[in-house]
Amino acid sequence: NAGVTQTPKFRILKIGQSMTLQCTQDMNHNYMYWYRQDPGMGLKLIYYSVGAGITDKGEVPNGYNVSRSTTEDFPLRLELAAPSQTSVYFCASSGDRVEAFFGQGTRLTVV
Amino acid sequence: EDKVVQSPLSLVVHEGDTVTLNCSYEVTNFRSLLWYKQEKKAPTFLFMLTSSGIEKKSGRLSSILDKKELFSILNITATQTGDSAIYLCAVLNTNAGKSTFGDGTTLTVKP
Repeated sequence: NAGVTQTPKFRILKIGQSMTLQCTQDMNHNYMYWYRQDPGMGLKLIYYSVGAGITDKGEVPNGYNVSRSTTEDFPLRLELAAPSQTSVYFCASSGDRVEAFFGQGTRLTVV
Repeated sequence: EDKVVQSPLSLVVHEGDTVTLNCSYEVTNFRSLLWYKQEKKAPTFLFMLTSSGIEKKSGRLSSILDKKELFSILNITATQTGDSAIYLCAVLNTNAGKSTFGDGTTLTVKP
């Protein structure tokens, strides 16, 4: 059972570079989420999706973009990386049972 | 804006102690409250609480919700070193995408 798969696990970006964090789930879940977690803090919702073709902003969407062309995939795009985006990023999905299943996280450092 | 406050932020106990973690919330359209355990990487689901006064129990862990006073507690009895983790509380809005996490309680259990 793969569950939620995120890639890459680690990445170092220079200021101004762009990248895409990949997320895919094989549980046929409608809901998918992107969170960031700064040291000593909880999870902040960046974007979420309630189904293919539908996305919406969370608490901290600035500097990010998402798309949801299929049920399985929910990539997160950083266009102009800034040091404030240094964080651990988690993708998650949930179905009817409500609880979220998380990927293993991507540790991103912007220098 | 939805808000979740966890206390204490950190806690150090010895094996065998009993601990109580607190979570208070303010949410516009409450659907459920969830507890997660986060060790090295991704959070893993512990409990989902929807109704007041009904205790959820799993081994040495239990949790209860008070929807009138807007809080939940997570109890861990006979703590073990393997219980050391960050415990996250999240509140789910009726819009299933709108989840709000607290900053977590970091529990350290010493042998």
